[in-house]
Amino acid sequence: DAGVTQSPTHLIKTRGQQVTLRCSPKSGHDTVSWYQQALGQGPQFIFQYYEEEERQRGNFPDRFSGHQFPNYSSELNVNALLLGDSALYLCASKSRAYGYTFGSGTRLTVV
Amino acid sequence: DAKTTQPPSMDCAEGRAANLPCNHSTISGNEYVYWYRQIHSQGPQYIIHGLKNNETNEMASLIITEDRKSSTLILPHATLRDTAVYYCIVIATQGGSEKLVFGKGTKLTVNP
Repeated sequence: DAGVTQSPTHLIKTRGQQVTLRCSPKSGHDTVSWYQQALGQGPQFIFQYYEEEERQRGNFPDRFSGHQFPNYSSELNVNALLLGDSALYLCASKSRAYGYTFGSGTRLTVV
Repeated sequence: DAKTTQPPSMDCAEGRAANLPCNHSTISGNEYVYWYRQIHSQGPQYIIHGLKNNETNEMASLIITEDRKSSTLILPHATLRDTAVYYCIVIATQGGSEKLVFGKGTKLTVNP
């Protein structure tokens, strides 16, 4: 049974560019959350999607947006990239019984 | 802000029990305590969770104090592969959804 799959695994972008990260949740999971993890810090909640709608949002600017598709997969979009957006971006899908399952993340480097 | 406090680092000898403490003095009555760990360059991995009673699974045991203001994660026989950052999290629920509020966690190093 495949877990949470994220793509790409690594990405390098230039300041000011836009980026799209993708996530396929674990089979049977319908809720997807995105987290940003800066080096040496714990993951920070960006937002959560359920039934193709954003249900909850953390303290992130509007440059961060997302989408959930009918098959429960999700995208995270970041516009006008800043150097400070360099981080590990984690996707997590939810199981009622066991909590969240995380993917291995996308390492984004903004230069 | 994270609702939990954990020591920044701990060491444990291989084969011995690792006891990781967590303070969550402001926990509400309906909030669960979750533990995750993150091995370098991987996503966090669910370990265990509990509300009031002590819990045990194949990975670990969770001991929650009677007043629920603190808990301890126990890895009964630590191995080198248990070296990781361990996060204690109190679930914050809003509108039926849940978000995980991570602190900086405890860096556990298991030594041979």
